[in-house]
Amino acid sequence: GAVVSQHPSRVICKSGTSVKIECRSLDFQATTMFWYRQFPKKSLMLMATSNEGSKATYEQGVEKDKFLINHASLTLSTLTVTSAHPEDSSFYICSAGGRERGHEQYFGPGTRLTVT
Amino acid sequence: GENVEQHPSTLSVQEGDSAVIKCTYSDSASNYFPWYKQELGKRPQLIIDIRSNVGEKKDQRIAVTLNKTAKHFSLHITETQPEDSAVYFCAASINGNQFYFGTGTSLTVIP
Repeated sequence: GAVVSQHPSRVICKSGTSVKIECRSLDFQATTMFWYRQFPKKSLMLMATSNEGSKATYEQGVEKDKFLINHASLTLSTLTVTSAHPEDSSFYICSAGGRERGHEQYFGPGTRLTVT
Repeated sequence: GENVEQHPSTLSVQEGDSAVIKCTYSDSASNYFPWYKQELGKRPQLIIDIRSNVGEKKDQRIAVTLNKTAKHFSLHITETQPEDSAVYFCAASINGNQFYFGTGTSLTVIP
């Protein structure tokens, strides 16, 4: 499989501040990256899909101005949670896919965000 | 958008028995159906996948079946082992462009 890293693994921030999460594909070119949110003991909820060099496509109900996604290169995508609030506390996971990988996606280890 | 349902939500089996997890999807355009295993505190790992041009796929103790007409697909694990205990997610996708996940099945294999 392919290697996808995510940083930071855990972050605690105060309400009203912004947090940036990075997702990197380490050994392949990720033409597409996905961002998910996972609640405890729940499924993965797709937040947005980003293609390198294009604007992200957000799922219904996900605020694009709050969850800023950038996919400026074939190895890096970032998710910025702006003006975070306690309800944004969650586990955020990215995944990456590439043309050379067919339809498969490979997950990062996730980021635990806690907003106080 | 796509709606994926997964059953059961929890499943306990004796070691050596088989486990079956079922999913249904709503969008007939979906053509790629992966299954992921997620252990506690870890990332989801792809364990098997199937494309819509195939009805069944097997990899050692794991198999997946797909019924396009009924829009459902199932994961079969035979000869279960304690290390198979985890949460399993099904997903549906159109050409790998977006992935919609089922609600997960927590599998416990009792030694």
